[in-house]
Amino acid sequence: EDKVVQSPLSLVVHEGDTVTLNCSYEVTNFRSLLWYKQEKKAPTFLFMLTSSGIEKKSGRLSSILDKKELFSILNITATQTGDSAVYLCAVLDQDTGNQFYFGTGTSLTVIP
Amino acid sequence: DTGVSQNPRHKITKRGQNVTFRCDPISEHNRLYWYRQTLGQGPEFLTYFQNEAQLEKSRLLSDRFSAERPKGSFSTLEIQRTEQGDSAMYLCASSLGPSRTEQYFGPGTRLTVT
Repeated sequence: EDKVVQSPLSLVVHEGDTVTLNCSYEVTNFRSLLWYKQEKKAPTFLFMLTSSGIEKKSGRLSSILDKKELFSILNITATQTGDSAVYLCAVLDQDTGNQFYFGTGTSLTVIP
Repeated sequence: DTGVSQNPRHKITKRGQNVTFRCDPISEHNRLYWYRQTLGQGPEFLTYFQNEAQLEKSRLLSDRFSAERPKGSFSTLEIQRTEQGDSAMYLCASSLGPSRTEQYFGPGTRLTVT
């Protein structure tokens, strides 16, 4: 059973476009949701979300969580080629201790 | 560099051999996690330590896999009698603890079993 589902699986855009990546989850006792960026190496941490409706922002990236509808979105505005990566979503379920469940990721390619 | 480090970065081994990987977490981080990642998939949880105690282990984890964190600092992951299906990237991550659960990943060890 997939606890974390990301969509789309892949996305190709042109520089300057705005993209929205989706992460939906199904865990029994949600604690937090994390977004990571993975290039050809280990994932790097972007955001941690625990409360609904509060937007986290870092430069051109922003993310928000909806705990009622069990999803999060990651927005990237004015995309650049350096944004090309796989974006991973992970959810911490308190019922399974401290085990994070990762989605399969969204592969973003930004074309010049 | 005060990030998470892993050694070796690459390992090629023959089927049936044993391999051991090392992870050095960020120094003040109490929690340490091991994941396995294959192409096109997100990281898959293997096991987790709080200081030196191994508190969680994936039900999917074969008994050929064992991990230790003897002094609550670095950790080792050993795979015995490797199989071709063990070929993957093995990632280590650390976090501060209950109030700060965000994990920081090391560069990973890429294992190829021939």
